[in-house]
This record gives sequence, structure tokens and C-alpha cells, in this order.
Amino acid sequence: ILNVEQSPQSLHVQEGDSTNFTCSFPSSNFYALHWYRWETAKSPEALFVMTLNGDEKKKGRISATLNTKEGYSYLYIKGSQPEDSATYLCAFIGTGGFKTIFGAGTRLFVKA
Amino acid sequence: EPEVTQTPSHQVTQMGQEVILRCVPISNHLYFYWYRQILGQKVEFLVSFYNNEISEKSEIFDDQFSVERPDGSNFTLKIRSTKLEDSAMYFCASSAGLRGAGGNTEAFFGQGTRLTVV
Repeated sequence: ILNVEQSPQSLHVQEGDSTNFTCSFPSSNFYALHWYRWETAKSPEALFVMTLNGDEKKKGRISATLNTKEGYSYLYIKGSQPEDSATYLCAFIGTGGFKTIFGAGTRLFVKA
Repeated sequence: EPEVTQTPSHQVTQMGQEVILRCVPISNHLYFYWYRQILGQKVEFLVSFYNNEISEKSEIFDDQFSVERPDGSNFTLKIRSTKLEDSAMYFCASSAGLRGAGGNTEAFFGQGTRLTVV
């Protein structure tokens, strides 16, 4: 059974702290890994689509890395702000590019 | 900014009834998906749809479920004979899939339909 694990489950940080969390996924039949940001009462918003081993992507203060050989991706947030408070989901997409397996998410709380 | 829209936002139905959840994907997108999230659980993939046919489906997507793109703009999920355990938030998504598949291009999600089966 394919499984995608995210850790930690939740994280409380102070404004200005930098933080990171992990997504672990199957290292075989990899096609792509997506990161989403999901605020309460809104729809998940795509942050990154990562496809190549060693990929590093950045969007403002948020960046992500990908290791497909060992099956993990890290999401980093530099200088967290209260508006970064959300659930961060990763999603593994296997060969073929369609079926998606989501992690349970990391719930980030940033206190001002 | 283009967005995926879903209707209704909340649907309450009696067990055994059929429901149709509606989605309007972004207009130039080619790949469409349904996901669900049972309260307190992970988001789960149900089905993907491309070129007017199902391209992949999960074990959850059994004969009780069907999808259709009836008019070139709407994308619907039909659940026949609903059960209590079908209560969940159902999300529709679409992607452009510019490089030939939905996996390596970002998916845009709707805000979901909360289905409550009583």
C-alpha cells in the first residue's frame, strides 16, 4: 500500500522563526510531488510542483527540496509570519501522472 | 483570476438517495479530478478524467460513483444510493497538463462541497 507521511503533524512557532517540515513518499514509480497550502475555509493552493531528483524551488520565503531516491521532500519557511498559518499538504503522484496520494498535512500556527 | 467553482457548497441528503456534485473547471484546462476528505482524515483521490473518459480511479471509486462532463464546461460527480460513510468534503480540481499529463502541472482546487448523508 502506497503511503505518504508528513511530519510533524502540527507546529507552533513565533513570528520570525524559520521552520521546516517533511514529506516522505514511495521512492519507486515516482512521477511528481506537489506541495499545497491550505487555509481554513479556502481551497488548497498549489505551492510547488516538483519532478526531478535534486529539485529546489522557491516562492518568496517558502522553498522546497526533493530527493526521489530516498523518498522525501522538505518544505522550508524563512521568517514565519502569522499569515503563513495554514495546513501544508504534500501529494505524491505515481507513474502515469494521475493518481494522487496525499499526506495528512502539517498544521502550522504562527504566533505574532 | 480564473478559478474552479463547485456547487452546492453544502448538500444534505438522505441515505439511499442519489446526489450530483457539480464543478466548473478552469476553462482551458484538460484534466479534471475529484477528491474527498472525510472529517479528520486525509484527502483521498477518487478519479481523474481526460479526453472525456476516466484516466485513473482509486479503490474508493466503485460502481456507486460516476463522473461526467455533460456539456463541455461542467464536470459532475454522481453518487448513487448514498451511504452514511459517504459524508465528506468533496473537492474538484483541474489542471492544464501542458506536458501531456496532469502530474507535473499544478492542480487548481475548488472550495469543496460538504456532503452530509443522514
